[in-house]
Amino acid sequence: GAVVSQHPSRVICKSGTSVKIECRSLDFQATTMFWYRQFPKKSLMLMATSNEGSKATYEQGVEKDKFLINHASLTLSTLTVTSAHPEDSSFYICSARDRGFTSGSYNEQFFGPGTRLTVL
Amino acid sequence: AQKVTQAQTEISVVEKEDVTLDCVYETRDTTYYLFWYKQPPSGELVFLIRRNSFDEQNEISGRYSWNFQKSTSSFNFTITASQVVDSAVYFCALSGGYQKVTFGTGTKLQVIP
Repeated sequence: GAVVSQHPSRVICKSGTSVKIECRSLDFQATTMFWYRQFPKKSLMLMATSNEGSKATYEQGVEKDKFLINHASLTLSTLTVTSAHPEDSSFYICSARDRGFTSGSYNEQFFGPGTRLTVL
Repeated sequence: AQKVTQAQTEISVVEKEDVTLDCVYETRDTTYYLFWYKQPPSGELVFLIRRNSFDEQNEISGRYSWNFQKSTSSFNFTITASQVVDSAVYFCALSGGYQKVTFGTGTKLQVIP
């Protein structure tokens, strides 16, 4: 089956530093990837939609200058948390849409294992 | 706008009991997809099932079964003969025309040995 990886799985950083999280589709091409954030004991909230070769589309309330998204290839999207602060500590999950797997009008999405960010 | 409601925040059952997790959804799309995911304590999301809006057949997979009823906008999940390994947070989710996935708030299931 389709596999999505995330790197790193865990990261601890000091306040003020920037952290980059990678999301890769390992065995399929993904024109669209999605980034979600999950607070402890809460649901997953969509942050942004990342489209290969174009700017990401951010959900309302998500600071695009704070959470930089780059989707430079069909298999890689990156989320950079700039000048991280303790309130950015969270579980970040990406998903990738397989453009080659279509059932009706739906392109299958696959989720990565997540990255736990802790900002001290 | 899409919305998924999981009214049960936490459920505790004794091992071998059956348990049903409720999910109610709202969408204006005529074509949509419903999902259930399991999130164990380790954090990764485990895909369980996807259902499209045109397929109301109930599905059974081992100890898991799903009841999709469009008339009540519900997509409930039943675990039969629960096991300790079933302890996790379960999310119901919905994807409509724009294919953004909207998640419910999750139901934490604790299976007590």
